[in-house]
Amino acid sequence: EVQLVQSGAEVKKPGESLKISCKASGYYFTTYWIVWVRQMPGKGLEWMGGIYPGDSRTLYSPSFQGQVTFSADKSMSTAYLQWNSLEASDTAIYYCARPRYSTNIDALQIWGPGTMVTVSS
Amino acid sequence: DIQMIQSPSSLSASVGDRVTITCRASQSISNSLNWYQQKPGEAPKLLIYGSSILLSGVPSRFSGSGSGTDFTLTIFSLQPEDSATYYCQHYFGTSLFGRGTKLEIE
Repeated sequence: EVQLVQSGAEVKKPGESLKISCKASGYYFTTYWIVWVRQMPGKGLEWMGGIYPGDSRTLYSPSFQGQVTFSADKSMSTAYLQWNSLEASDTAIYYCARPRYSTNIDALQIWGPGTMVTVSS
Repeated sequence: DIQMIQSPSSLSASVGDRVTITCRASQSISNSLNWYQQKPGEAPKLLIYGSSILLSGVPSRFSGSGSGTDFTLTIFSLQPEDSATYYCQHYFGTSLFGRGTKLEIE
């Protein structure tokens, strides 16, 4: 079964760093993009960008470029989303998702359950 | 950047009704348009991709159409379990979701 399992909820203070994870199973991790999607409390979905684990190619939405970092560990079949200095406005659910096709980053068919990140002083 | 205008932002309908949700792109995106359903507390689910291709396992009462700039999600014969928020998503170099349509069943 193709599955994405995300790390647990986090509560952090402004200025702290954070790295959350998305572990893939049931398919060849290196051959599909992993996309990250933000959902702020009570709001809609925001496409953040993604990483292709095969060669660590990344694509960032202009809204998130420079604000977060995507990485992947092929040996662990795990993708990561990282912040160096959190802000209260980073409070959200973060989903990882895998596209339907290995050849593109479109049509997100497999989703993780989401990681809730709360940033509060 | 390509903008997506999704409408309406919310609607209420009865079981058995036909409902239509639209997405308009600020420039042509060919057929690079997907539709998702999200229920409270759950991750989104892909319903339709490539504007009109129904994902396997999705009920046939869901239908997508359109190309270029104008796209439509139609739900024929609405069922109680269709109560959810629906999002369109384009991919054309980068990607953007529409703002969502909250569908309530009367």
